[in-house]
Amino acid sequence: GAGVSQTPSNKVTEKGKYVELRCDPISGHTALYWYRQSLGQGPEFLIYFQGTGAADDSGLPNDRFFAVRPEGSVSTLKIQRTERGDSAVYLCASSLRGGAVYNEQFFGPGTRLTVL
Amino acid sequence: GQQLNQSPQSMFIQEGEDVSMNCTSSSIFNTWLWYKQDPGEGPVLLIALYKAGELTSNGRLTAQFGITRKDSFLNISASIPSDVGIYFCAGGSSNTGKLIFGQGTTLQVKP
Repeated sequence: GAGVSQTPSNKVTEKGKYVELRCDPISGHTALYWYRQSLGQGPEFLIYFQGTGAADDSGLPNDRFFAVRPEGSVSTLKIQRTERGDSAVYLCASSLRGGAVYNEQFFGPGTRLTVL
Repeated sequence: GQQLNQSPQSMFIQEGEDVSMNCTSSSIFNTWLWYKQDPGEGPVLLIALYKAGELTSNGRLTAQFGITRKDSFLNISASIPSDVGIYFCAGGSSNTGKLIFGQGTTLQVKP
C-alpha cells in the first residue's frame, strides 16, 4: 500500500521567499505530524493535526511557519520570508489515531529545503 | 528543543557481532519507539513499546521499555551489512501526539 508521500523532494529558494511543502498521509490515518530535521540531529516536532484541526502547534518556531489540513487528509506546511536557518529536511508522518495509545507514526521521505 | 540522550553516538562493528544502544530521559514517557533512517530517506519504524517493563522482539531486534519509563534500549543480534544506518529512539506522552527524538546512533558494519 502507499506510504506517506511528500512533495517536492527538494526545494531550493532564496532568502525572503515563500515556500509550501505538501504531505499526503497514509489513507485512513487521522493524525498527521510535521517534524524538522537538521543535519546530524533527530527530528524535532513542529505541529500535530487530529483531523482538520491543529491539536498541538507548540513546535512551530515562530509566526513565519503555518500549516493547514483543510479536509483532514493532505497537509501543507507554509513558510513565509524564509531565512537561511530554515534550511533542513522537513518530515511528515501519519498515524492511525493521535495521542499516545496508537502512536506508531509512519514517516515520509521528507522535503529537503535549502535557503540560499 | 527537548531531545533524549541517546548513546553511543556511533558504533563501528564487525559483521556478526551483537549491538546495543540505549536512550535515557529526565521525563517519563508512555510510549517508546525505535526507528532506523537511511541516507535521503525518512525514519522507518522498527519497534513500538507501550508498557513499562515490556520486552519486544522483531526478528534480530529486541527492545525494552524501562521500568522507570525514563529509558529504553535496543539490541541487534548477529549484525549484517544492511543494518548500517542511523537508529533513533523516540518517546511519546499521553496528552499529545508529538514524539521527542534522541540524537541518533550511527551504526557501521564491517563485512
